[in-house]
Amino acid sequence: ETGVTQSPTHLIKTRGQQVTLRCSSQSGHNTVSWYQQALGQGPQFIFQYYREEENGRGNFPPRFSGLQFPNYSSELNVNALELDDSALYLCASSLRTRNTGELFFGEGSRLTVL
Amino acid sequence: GQSLEQPSEVTAVEGAIVQINCTYQTSGFYGLSWYQQHDGGAPTFLSYNALDGLEETGRFSSFLSRSDSYGYLLLQELQMKDSASYFCAVLMDMGRRALTFGSGTRLQVQP
Repeated sequence: ETGVTQSPTHLIKTRGQQVTLRCSSQSGHNTVSWYQQALGQGPQFIFQYYREEENGRGNFPPRFSGLQFPNYSSELNVNALELDDSALYLCASSLRTRNTGELFFGEGSRLTVL
Repeated sequence: GQSLEQPSEVTAVEGAIVQINCTYQTSGFYGLSWYQQHDGGAPTFLSYNALDGLEETGRFSSFLSRSDSYGYLLLQELQMKDSASYFCAVLMDMGRRALTFGSGTRLQVQP
């Protein structure tokens, strides 16, 4: 059973650019969530995908968008990057049928915006 | 708004017991989770409490009191490898399964 994998692990962008982050969910998991974690803070919910559709969004602007593919993998896209977007972006997978607060996180993509 | 309060830092010695508290004020509540995160690593799930009471998993236990909007994580027989950040997180919406996290407690275990 493979865990959640994310790519790239680190990347540097400049203000105004666009970035795409990728996530492969844990085998058998049908729900993918994305979180943003600023340094020294807890993760913040960006959005969640289930059956290739967005299934809820946190307090993030529309320039944060995503996709889920038939194999349950996912992408997070951020347009018009701002300095405050510098953070660790975490992908988490889960099974929708499990009624618990258990998520399986990847190690994240650390984005630096200059 | 939503808020989860937990201490920012805790220091303890090897072999000791430490309790990390979490109080929450959220518009919805289905349960309280705890996660551990080592520097540079992924958050890893420790426990989930949906009902009042104590849940024990090895050296770690988690407690919930829904009436007091309060929970804690208890770590026993501390080991150096337990040095990490610990986050409480509320499951507010069963449909979205989105977790609202606290800011984390940095635990330092000293020899």
